[in-house]
Amino acid sequence: ETGVTQTPRHLVMGMTNKKSLKCEQHLGHNAMYWYKQSAKKPLELMFVYSLEERVENNSVPSRFSPECPNSSHLFLHLHTLQPEDSALYLCASSLARDTEAFFGQGTRLTVV
Amino acid sequence: QKEVEQDPGPLSVPEGAIVSLNCTYSNSAFQYFMWYRQYSRKGPELLMYTYSSGNKEDGRFTAQVDKSSKYISLFIRDSQPSDSATYLCAMCSNSGNTPLVFGKGTRLSVIA
Repeated sequence: ETGVTQTPRHLVMGMTNKKSLKCEQHLGHNAMYWYKQSAKKPLELMFVYSLEERVENNSVPSRFSPECPNSSHLFLHLHTLQPEDSALYLCASSLARDTEAFFGQGTRLTVV
Repeated sequence: QKEVEQDPGPLSVPEGAIVSLNCTYSNSAFQYFMWYRQYSRKGPELLMYTYSSGNKEDGRFTAQVDKSSKYISLFIRDSQPSDSATYLCAMCSNSGNTPLVFGKGTRLSVIA
């Protein structure tokens, strides 16, 4: 275990559903991230939070909405997703934004 | 040109072989270099972390950085079937506000 916990591990949702992914870290890190990992593509950085403030949003569609209530928790709220959004969604944290990141196990999302 | 290039493989080797995994990059500001290992259906885990040029050894793993050629390598000696995974290189500068940039990952299979 890396100290970064993601729930759920697997999620199947319809295109009209609303769901949330949860990430929790107890490493005392100040930065948290959401990544999307699709087959045969590099990890895509979606959002960066530093000290609970969103500092980066890489042109992610508004159907993905992040929330960082405190430095230990990060959510990704999902609504009206498309089948092409099916992927492994990874949460990570790091001490600072330019240091090594520690990943959770990911949520395997399938949109039907 | 992509910021980080990594041959996706797959790479298949017999048990006991020496494995060489490589990445090239274009941004000369990168100072920190990492290798992550990702098993199937798991999140990436940090394997090696190096700063600037030079070698770093940890057990059967050796990471090399050649900043003049913008080329990094990970060597695995006496490879084992348990080394079968996807290996991702990652790097960042020390500007304080740039998160990691990842390669696509190389899928390695070590055959017993």
